[in-house]
Amino acid sequence: DVKVTQSSRYLVKRTGEKVFLECVQDMDHENMFWYRQDPGLGLRLIYFSYDVKMKEKGDIPEGYSVSREKKERFSLILESASTNQTSMYLCASTSGGLYEQYFGPGTRLTVT
Amino acid sequence: GENVEQHPSTLSVQEGDSAVIKCTYSDSASNYFPWYKQELGKRPQLIIDIRSNVGEKKDQRIAVTLNKTAKHFSLHITETQPEDSAVYFCAASMGGATNKLIFGTGTLLAVQP
Repeated sequence: DVKVTQSSRYLVKRTGEKVFLECVQDMDHENMFWYRQDPGLGLRLIYFSYDVKMKEKGDIPEGYSVSREKKERFSLILESASTNQTSMYLCASTSGGLYEQYFGPGTRLTVT
Repeated sequence: GENVEQHPSTLSVQEGDSAVIKCTYSDSASNYFPWYKQELGKRPQLIIDIRSNVGEKKDQRIAVTLNKTAKHFSLHITETQPEDSAVYFCAASMGGATNKLIFGTGTLLAVQP
């Protein structure tokens, strides 16, 4: 079974803090994604990576950065957390564009 | 930019009835259309997908249809059961050499026993 794990299920941070969300997959997938899920807005792509050290902006990259130093690990960084970044963050991985994306359990981030 | 529209946003049916969720996409180069189910508090999981060279695909009580000319695709669930209650997301692949999916905004399906 493909396993995608995320470092935290729930996280509470203060405005201005630097926040790290980590995602790990065990299927040797080349492609990894970070999404943000908000009610009524569906899943919106923040960043994705198609190889180690490679990244591309998604639809809503502002206020976020990413890091992929190893194939199995993809990190999302909030440089200076703001209240409008309170959301559910989902990581996913896939072996290719026309194949299933496997999601992690999500991190519910609250910024106060 | 490219987008996927999904309707309805909420759908309530009686157990045993059918449910239909519809999506429209804008990128004419899209060629892969998956559907994900997300139960409350859980991660999205793929339930069925279709590629552009196929017009219809079935898996037990679930079917997906694709009309490439109209850029429409739909999810059909027959003989609904309470365990079908969840949020359903459609998605379409981005055209060209990319691995990205564009997701719809989701449909909350409630199956009343």
